[in-house]
Amino acid sequence: RKEVEQDPGPFNVPEGATVAFNCTYSNSASQSFFWYRQDCRKEPKLLMSVYSSGNEDGRFTAQLNRASQYISLLIRDSKLSDSATYLCVVNMGGGSQGNLIFGKGTKLSVKP
Amino acid sequence: EPEVTQTPSHQVTQMGQEVILRCVPISNHLYFYWYRQILGQKVEFLVSFYNNEISEKSEIFDDQFSVERPDGSNFTLKIRSTKLEDSAMYFCASGPDYSSPLHFGNGTRLTVT
Repeated sequence: RKEVEQDPGPFNVPEGATVAFNCTYSNSASQSFFWYRQDCRKEPKLLMSVYSSGNEDGRFTAQLNRASQYISLLIRDSKLSDSATYLCVVNMGGGSQGNLIFGKGTKLSVKP
Repeated sequence: EPEVTQTPSHQVTQMGQEVILRCVPISNHLYFYWYRQILGQKVEFLVSFYNNEISEKSEIFDDQFSVERPDGSNFTLKIRSTKLEDSAMYFCASGPDYSSPLHFGNGTRLTVT
């Protein structure tokens, strides 16, 4: 079964904290990896793609370990506006590049 | 920034009725998708559509579901005879190619009573 597993949280952190989310995926054929964020009752919005070499976008850093089938997201200097659910997303692989498998998400709550 | 738009934002229907959910993907995108999210659960893939045909569908997408691109801009999901368990948020998404990240619409909340 093709699954994406995440710690559901919630992670409750103070403003300015550094927080890390982890994700594992079961389908070794997956080729594309993403982090999306989802606010309550809203659509998923792309936060960043995840590349094999790791990548950074401002306060956000994503890492991919293909051998362990493991993806991470690090948020530095968290802001109140970072409060959301973070979705680990991988494609189904095997040629189905655009078809995505979502994790259940990790809820982050940043407090003043 | 171009957006995927969905209508209506909320649809209430009685069990057994047909519903059509509408989407306008981003204009230069070629790949179109429907996903759903039951309240409190994860987002689930339903169907992908490319070159005017279904390219892949999940086991959720049974004979009660169909998709259509009736003109050059709209992309619709039809549920022929709704069940209570079809109540969910339905998201349309589009992408310029099969490997780029998807852009999601703001969803249609379907409530089946």
